[in-house]
Amino acid sequence: AQTVTQSQPEMSVQEAETVTLSCTYDTSESNYYLFWYKQPPSRQMILVIRQEAYKQQNATENRFSVNFQKAAKSFSLKISDSQLGDTAMYFCAFMTTGANSKLTFGKGITLSVRP
Amino acid sequence: EPEVTQTPSHQVTQMGQEVILRCVPISNHLYFYWYRQILGQKVEFLVSFYNNEISEKSEIFDDQFSVERPDGSNFTLKIRSTKLEDSAMYFCASREPGPYYGYTFGSGTRLTVV
Repeated sequence: AQTVTQSQPEMSVQEAETVTLSCTYDTSESNYYLFWYKQPPSRQMILVIRQEAYKQQNATENRFSVNFQKAAKSFSLKISDSQLGDTAMYFCAFMTTGANSKLTFGKGITLSVRP
Repeated sequence: EPEVTQTPSHQVTQMGQEVILRCVPISNHLYFYWYRQILGQKVEFLVSFYNNEISEKSEIFDDQFSVERPDGSNFTLKIRSTKLEDSAMYFCASREPGPYYGYTFGSGTRLTVV
């Protein structure tokens, strides 16, 4: 079974600064997918960024980028130029490549962006 | 952009009553899911559904729960005889055949059992 660990329950960052959210996972699979989802106070689950395990290049989406270290089973999210709208809960998630794959989530981290 | 639609957004029910949570997945998606999130906690997998049958279910998804895709567009989660501990956000999600794209989640139904 796969597990996803987010050990930091909450973080705070000053507006316009950079913050990194940590995530580790455990799996015996060689190929899989990793995701970060954002959950703002509205409770909607919004996909932030995705990474395919066999791709060595780290994914980037505008101000969001990941540091994917496959050997260490680490998948951290970097948010640059933090904005007040980034205040949310962030979930790291793992998915296998099988047809019946499902998302397994970490416990989440609450990020607060201070003005 | 296509959306997954969930109704109602909030439902209050008395303990012991049955509730049906409704979802309209994205039309060309083939895989459907229900997840649950007790307030402020982890998002937990309940059930996955493909080709008109359950493909996987979690330990949480016991005989109290059932899912249906009655008309080719709606995807429902029924909870029989609700308990206080069923109070949670329930998210429906769907995805395309390739798991790389991840899920598209609905905005959730907040279920409160009193």
